[in-house]
Amino acid sequence: GAVVSQHPSRVICKSGTSVKIECRSLDFQATTMFWYRQFPKQSLMLMATSNEGSKATYEQGVEKDKFLINHASLTLSTLTVTSAHPEDSSFYICSAGTGTSTDTQYFGPGTRLTVL
Amino acid sequence: QKEVEQDPGPLSVPEGAIVSLNCTYSNSAFQYFMWYRQYSRKGPELLMYTYSSGNKEDGRFTAQVDKSSKYISLFIRDSQPSDSATYLCAMSGGGSNYKLTFGKGTLLTVNP
Repeated sequence: GAVVSQHPSRVICKSGTSVKIECRSLDFQATTMFWYRQFPKQSLMLMATSNEGSKATYEQGVEKDKFLINHASLTLSTLTVTSAHPEDSSFYICSAGTGTSTDTQYFGPGTRLTVL
Repeated sequence: QKEVEQDPGPLSVPEGAIVSLNCTYSNSAFQYFMWYRQYSRKGPELLMYTYSSGNKEDGRFTAQVDKSSKYISLFIRDSQPSDSATYLCAMSGGGSNYKLTFGKGTLLTVNP
């Protein structure tokens, strides 16, 4: 149980284009999903928290207009990197939880974004 | 001082060794403690989940939490080459604050 998928696993795009990454909870309903980015040999940095049906809460320093998050259902959240630039190249990982205080997070396999 | 400190290693051990991984933290509000294993270019996989102080054992893995010292450990017995990965500690305050705070991760290599 507790399987989270991400699609695509890898994407290469040109500077200025937008990229959408999907995160799905396959065998449970996720009231809360989290989006992280991870640079090489670094830990995970939380970008935003999204609850189904409401606006995402962004961490300090994360541009909400650049990283658009939609959590339209209990099993799907999307992250759209708008007008991507080379500095946005990173490993993006989502996680999902049911949002209770005793819950933990189950992570997707990650999406490697390379912006040329 | 960072909220969670973890020695990044790298740590290299022979197969069969007992591995000890540790994290210290400064926020006394943390109540939930987790260890994740992350293989290269993959998402983290939950290994152990502990609430408050105490020990928890699962197969070859034992997690220890000492809240009085703000110190958590993960022990791996009879380590295997397949245990080679980055191990991340994570913790949260629970309640409405279930965001995880991660350590930097320790890179472990188990040599056959």
